[in-house]
Amino acid sequence: DSGVTQTPKHLITATGQRVTLRCSPRSGDLSVYWYQQSLDQGLQFLIQYYNGEERAKGNILERFSAQQFPDLHSELNLSSLELGDSALYFCASSVFSGPLTDTQYFGPGTRLTVL
Amino acid sequence: LAKTTQPISMDSYEGQEVNITCSHNNIATNDYITWYQQFPSQGPRFIIQGYKTKVTNEVASLFIPADRKSSTLSLPRVSLSDTAVYYCLVGDEDSSASKIIFGSGTRLSIRP
Repeated sequence: DSGVTQTPKHLITATGQRVTLRCSPRSGDLSVYWYQQSLDQGLQFLIQYYNGEERAKGNILERFSAQQFPDLHSELNLSSLELGDSALYFCASSVFSGPLTDTQYFGPGTRLTVL
Repeated sequence: LAKTTQPISMDSYEGQEVNITCSHNNIATNDYITWYQQFPSQGPRFIIQGYKTKVTNEVASLFIPADRKSSTLSLPRVSLSDTAVYYCLVGDEDSSASKIIFGSGTRLSIRP
């Protein structure tokens, strides 16, 4: 158990819909990262928040947005869903903001299926 | 950010030592080397991190030669449960997360 929690575990929805994925980081961790993992594209970095502020952006679509709240939990909002958005979405957290030196602790993921 | 190259897949047998090498020819002076392990449908898990020479923990060893242009993750006496994908990441504390590339990693298959 990494100490990072994600809800829901599974999500099935239809094209065009909007969903929200939630992540609670480990106690004391200030950084939250979101990743998407689909079968054909591996693990893709989407966005990072550090202490409530956006820190870095990766290959995140305009239809996707995220935020980190004062209690440090984070939400990833996916809208106008398409079939290709079906994937595993992971959240990770770390103490500081250096993702390549700080250990990232990954949550169990949310499996999103868009029908 | 240093580009990394790993073998796509490796096979081994239970009880053997497995060595997975990562090439990072353009590694910078302040870069660290970090390895993660991922089981199917689970998030990656940190294994080990090093800067130079050798680092060992309860799970693995990391060997880094003097020129630091490659690194080798060593898993002693593997078991079936070591079947996973292994990722090598290189960067320093100021590297932006936007530069994170997990890539395809090395898919390690352990057989009885």
